[in-house]
Amino acid sequence: DGGITQSPKYLFRKEGQNVTLSCEQNLNHDAMYWYRQDPGQGLRLIYYSQIVNDFQKGDIAEGYSVSREKKESFPLTVTSAQKNPTAFYLCASSIPGPYEQYFGPGTRLTVT
Amino acid sequence: AQSVAQPEDQVNVAEGNPLTVKCTYSVSGNPYLFWYVQYPNRGLQFLLKYITGDNLVKGSYGFEAEFNKSQTSFHLKKPSALVSDSALYFCAVRDTGFQKLVFGTGTRLLVSP
Repeated sequence: DGGITQSPKYLFRKEGQNVTLSCEQNLNHDAMYWYRQDPGQGLRLIYYSQIVNDFQKGDIAEGYSVSREKKESFPLTVTSAQKNPTAFYLCASSIPGPYEQYFGPGTRLTVT
Repeated sequence: AQSVAQPEDQVNVAEGNPLTVKCTYSVSGNPYLFWYVQYPNRGLQFLLKYITGDNLVKGSYGFEAEFNKSQTSFHLKKPSALVSDSALYFCAVRDTGFQKLVFGTGTRLLVSP
């Protein structure tokens, strides 16, 4: 998990509340990614950013928003519009090209 | 569209025996292939990748993977399994035209003492 921090590790929220998950990296990577992990479904891409002040929707962007104001930071907001927000959220970063992504330790979000 | 299939939800192997975790892929161009491992409640750790060159790729912790273009496969292997290898393993693919990785659904490896 080296170089990428996600906080908090566990997060609990009530339905109808927006919540922001933090992701910071000190690897000097240009690209950053947010994934959602549900049992039996692997990882699904929510949003990704290849450069500061630019980001693109992934496969399941509805109900989520992001910002990329700094190279080191890529926070994810889970809005009240997300129908099933309870999941394990993973942030990753990489350098451009055919290179591996490095993952943070994840945040487990529970919404009741 | 890119896709990855991991046909086995779980693989069971005895400690000391060889292990194989299967992965097949589909991409429109040349594939970039990756294996990751995940321990409970942790992020993914990179094991190895195939970009080009030798079909047998060696990675971390004694793991290796064999790229087979004709069978569109990239199976993960290890000659002698350890109990500590028990974890969830993900195969991922990216083709040359895209920045995104597509992950398989994962295979749980259980190594018994």
